[in-house]
Amino acid sequence: KAGVTQTPRYLIKTRGQQVTLSCSPISGHRSVSWYQQTPGQGLQFLFEYFSETQRNKGNFPGRFSGRQFSNSRSEMNVSTLELGDSALYLCASSLAPGDEQFFGPGTRLTVL
Amino acid sequence: AQSVTQLGSHVSVSEGALVLLRCNYSSSVPPYLFWYVQYPNQGLQLLLKYTSAATLVKGINGFEAEFKKSETSFHLTKPSAHMSDAAEYFCAVSGFQGAQKLVFGQGTRLTINP
Repeated sequence: KAGVTQTPRYLIKTRGQQVTLSCSPISGHRSVSWYQQTPGQGLQFLFEYFSETQRNKGNFPGRFSGRQFSNSRSEMNVSTLELGDSALYLCASSLAPGDEQFFGPGTRLTVL
Repeated sequence: AQSVTQLGSHVSVSEGALVLLRCNYSSSVPPYLFWYVQYPNQGLQLLLKYTSAATLVKGINGFEAEFKKSETSFHLTKPSAHMSDAAEYFCAVSGFQGAQKLVFGQGTRLTINP
């Protein structure tokens, strides 16, 4: 069974641009969560989706948004990029909320 | 609210020595606790989890952790370190069964000396 897939793996953007990151969960998994990992702030929770509904949201500005599709694939979008948005963005999937989460390899975003 | 403190951002041990990575948590509800490992350029892999069953939890790769409520601790141990254990380790807490949100500690980078 394939693991969690995240695309693209690496991304370089400039300040003010917007970016969309994609996450394909493990087949059969319906719950997807997103985390931001930076050297300074560590791993921080962004959002959680289950059955196309956002169940929980972390303490991030409104520039960060996400959605989940009917096939459980998820995207997150960051608008008006800032230098501080440079980070590794990790997606995790599980069968349902509270089940073991399996993490993807992440998308490394660099904002110049 | 939950929080996690990992004592020691860097730990270095010799191959074959005991590995001890410390984690203390704070939670207003009975916690669910996790240890994850991250190898360079990879995502997180679950090592073990505590979900209110046995207080001594055994995980993969020879790791185990003991939940001590009185000390609000969940330290990770391995009797004999192997070179392949070099990685970054994260302790995490969630508030209740069915909670997807994980609150992570800052991580501990484990170095194994030959």
